[in-house]
Amino acid sequence: AQKITQTQPGMFVQEKEAVTLDCTYDTSDQSYGLFWYKQPSSGEMIFLIYQGSYDEQNATEGRYSLNFQKARKSANLVISASQLGDSAMYFCAMREGRESGGYQKVTFGIGTKLQVIP
Amino acid sequence: GAVVSQHPSWVICKSGTSVKIECRSLDFQATTMFWYRQFPKQSLMLMATSNEGSKATYEQGVEKDKFLINHASLTLSTLTVTSAHPEDSSFYICSARVGGLDYNEQFFGPGTRLTVL
Repeated sequence: AQKITQTQPGMFVQEKEAVTLDCTYDTSDQSYGLFWYKQPSSGEMIFLIYQGSYDEQNATEGRYSLNFQKARKSANLVISASQLGDSAMYFCAMREGRESGGYQKVTFGIGTKLQVIP
Repeated sequence: GAVVSQHPSWVICKSGTSVKIECRSLDFQATTMFWYRQFPKQSLMLMATSNEGSKATYEQGVEKDKFLINHASLTLSTLTVTSAHPEDSSFYICSARVGGLDYNEQFFGPGTRLTVL
């Protein structure tokens, strides 16, 4: 079973509007973390936002916010006031597993390609 | 934020040759480094996890003898693709994790695009 599911292969949004990118996850761990990364065409992975499973409030970072619904196992990314520079691939990822030997595995979804239209 | 570099950024090699990719954490000590590969229009697939001074832990299906990982110091990890073949052509990305239980962020390198002719 997929651990991270992103059901939107591609999304379009008008500049200055808000857009929600969907992400659902599957884990039996009580402690886990959820990430969103942006990958422009140049290839580098840019960290956007993080939500811990025990965090009671939704994470926010500037124009990015994470709509965390634990019971539904969803962690949607909301980008407000879209900009042309937001056009990129967006990956949802999950860290799970206990600290062991100093590392934790992160699993990525297949990504959503966002295109911002002028 | 923390900076991770990769070298080279792209490489073209002949089939059968070996290619070494370096991953460096420039302004922090990385207790753990991760190596991913990404095929065109696909997600990142974790290949292996390496801790400084110990053997790398490889994901299922990743050949240890083909993808040699060395994590010699807290700031450097290398991935060597041995006897490269065209199917090894991919985008290889490393990431480094800052130590500490409460710090969850991985910092990614810019990636290395490998093309095997």
